[in-house]
Amino acid sequence: NAGVTQTPKFRILKIGQSMTLQCTQDMNHNYMYWYRQDPGMGLKLIYYSVGAGITDKGEVPNGYNVSRSTTEDFPLRLELAAPSQTSVYFCASSYQNANTGELFFGEGSRLTVL
Amino acid sequence: QQQVKQSPQSLIVQKGGISIINCAYENTAFDYFPWYQQFPGKGPALLIAIRPDVSEKKEGRFTISFNKSAKQFSLHIMDSQPGDSATYFCAASEIGNYQLIWGAGTKLIIKP
Repeated sequence: NAGVTQTPKFRILKIGQSMTLQCTQDMNHNYMYWYRQDPGMGLKLIYYSVGAGITDKGEVPNGYNVSRSTTEDFPLRLELAAPSQTSVYFCASSYQNANTGELFFGEGSRLTVL
Repeated sequence: QQQVKQSPQSLIVQKGGISIINCAYENTAFDYFPWYQQFPGKGPALLIAIRPDVSEKKEGRFTISFNKSAKQFSLHIMDSQPGDSATYFCAASEIGNYQLIWGAGTKLIIKP
């Protein structure tokens, strides 16, 4: 039972490069989320999805894009990477919405932009 | 009004002692207050959660105390163990909302 799987675990990007962080879950959860975690700042919601084909912006969406073509996958696209995007990114999923159900997190993807 | 303020930022407790982490909020529409535990190199995991209809919830050595009038809630870890060393996050959300509003986190170290 894999839960939420994120790849890659580590990545170094040059300014202006683009990349996709992959996230897949095998729990048949409708809700999926992308967070970034910066030291002393807690978790900030980037994008979320309530089901396949439906996505919406969170608190800090600028510089990112997402898609949700299947229930299992929720990739996060970084366009024109900037040093401010250096962070640890977490994907999460839940069966119910965040007000009701437990969020299950992946192990994170540590991104450095130089 | 959407913030959740968490304190302290870091905490060192002797083994067997009581660890206390506090959170405060302003939004009176919040009605769900979870605590998540995060070990280094891992994602956060739900530890315990409470709703405002109760003032306290206990699960093993972990207790949430909730003060609705003061808009504060806290996590108490009794008989703290080295294995409890982790970062703890409080969070809050409104009914029907997809977002959790997170505190900044508390790094807890339990000294043997």
